[in-house]
Amino acid sequence: DADVTQTPRNRITKTGKRIMLECSQTKGHDRMYWYRQDPGLGLRLIYYSFDVKDINKGEISDGYSVSRQAQAKFSLSLESAIPNQTALYFCATSGTGSSYNEQFFGPGTRLTVL
Amino acid sequence: QKEVEQDPGPLSVPEGAIVSLNCTYSNSAFQYFMWYRQYSRKGPELLMYTYSSGNKEDGRFTAQVDKSSKYISLFIRDSQPSDSATYLCAMTHSGSARQLTFGSGTQLTVLP
Repeated sequence: DADVTQTPRNRITKTGKRIMLECSQTKGHDRMYWYRQDPGLGLRLIYYSFDVKDINKGEISDGYSVSRQAQAKFSLSLESAIPNQTALYFCATSGTGSSYNEQFFGPGTRLTVL
Repeated sequence: QKEVEQDPGPLSVPEGAIVSLNCTYSNSAFQYFMWYRQYSRKGPELLMYTYSSGNKEDGRFTAQVDKSSKYISLFIRDSQPSDSATYLCAMTHSGSARQLTFGSGTQLTVLP
């Protein structure tokens, strides 16, 4: 079974709709991240969480919100989706101590906003 | 100017060739350097991880960091068609809450 799972894997929605992307992990990691990937721009950090009570904005948080429901679950919401939020979204996790630079990624969610 | 620059390619090589992938960066504080491999329609997976300057070898892969030139490289020896993927460099430093800054990725195709 995959260590980091994301649901849904694909989603098509319309402008103005609220969308939630979910991430679950079985790695036992405290740290979780949400990235978006666009062609030519690489991966950009949206939000990150170092534990259930610690949520931080990343490089491009405008238009997004997150919820850390448990150590293993981290959700990303688009309150009112717009077309330029069409992208590939990845959840990632990392441990603590010497390994916390190593991030492990989920399979991604392809989101299309029409 | 981006903090991390990476030639997007695409790069095509014949099977068995030595591949060189590179990134340059502008932030001298970066001290941890990573290479991720991303197959089509998959999430990135960590391939190599190095700290500070120097070389690190793992099988057919060698990661090289030159902090004085702000330049990192990934070499793939005896390249295989299964190496066809997008390769992303990433880096961070202790003052950044360990947020990774990624290059845009280089698309590599190894032709059989």
